[in-house]
Amino acid sequence: DQQVKQNSPSLSVQEGRISILNCDYTNSMFDYFLWYKKYPAEGPTFLISISSIKDKNEDGRFTVFLNKSAKHLSLHIVPSQPGDSAVYFCAASSQGGKLIFGQGTELSVKP
Amino acid sequence: DTGVSQNPRHKITKRGQNVTFRCDPISEHNRLYWYRQTLGQGPEFLTYFQNEAQLEKSRLLSDRFSAERPKGSFSTLEIQRTEQGDSAMYLCASSGQGWPYEQYFGPGTRLTVT
Repeated sequence: DQQVKQNSPSLSVQEGRISILNCDYTNSMFDYFLWYKKYPAEGPTFLISISSIKDKNEDGRFTVFLNKSAKHLSLHIVPSQPGDSAVYFCAASSQGGKLIFGQGTELSVKP
Repeated sequence: DTGVSQNPRHKITKRGQNVTFRCDPISEHNRLYWYRQTLGQGPEFLTYFQNEAQLEKSRLLSDRFSAERPKGSFSTLEIQRTEQGDSAMYLCASSGQGWPYEQYFGPGTRLTVT
């Protein structure tokens, strides 16, 4: 069963606008959530994370929102830049163990 | 550079051969993880170590797969009698034991079984 889901395989956004990537999870035991960015032929790069005791975490242009009642998190990128074009994965863990990843969303930011 | 390193970056092998991959984690990290990623999917957990102890193994890790971390530093992942279905990107990550729980990934080893 897919415990972490990213239902949008792709997203296209204009440069300077907001990119919103979504992620849903099913396991209530998850207490830590992360977003990774991945370029082809490279390993995932850590972007931002959030603990289940928070509902928002911000780092520069990146903000992650967590809605525990809906078991939903989202990553906002403002403003979007062409260099943000990559595949974005959300991941979840319980008590700091293994990560469970979604399938990824390919973001394309057009100049 | 103190990031996670993996060797080799690419490996092409014939079906039935054995292959071994190496991962060197960030030096102060005592947790080391192996994941596998196939095209169009997110990374899937295989196994992880805390120091030299292997704490968890996925059902994905068949008997042909074995991982070691003998001195609690680098780790090796061996695949015996490779099959075409083993073709994937093998990713290694490391983290500290406590908060925060971010895992930092290496560049991966791309395995192609012909």
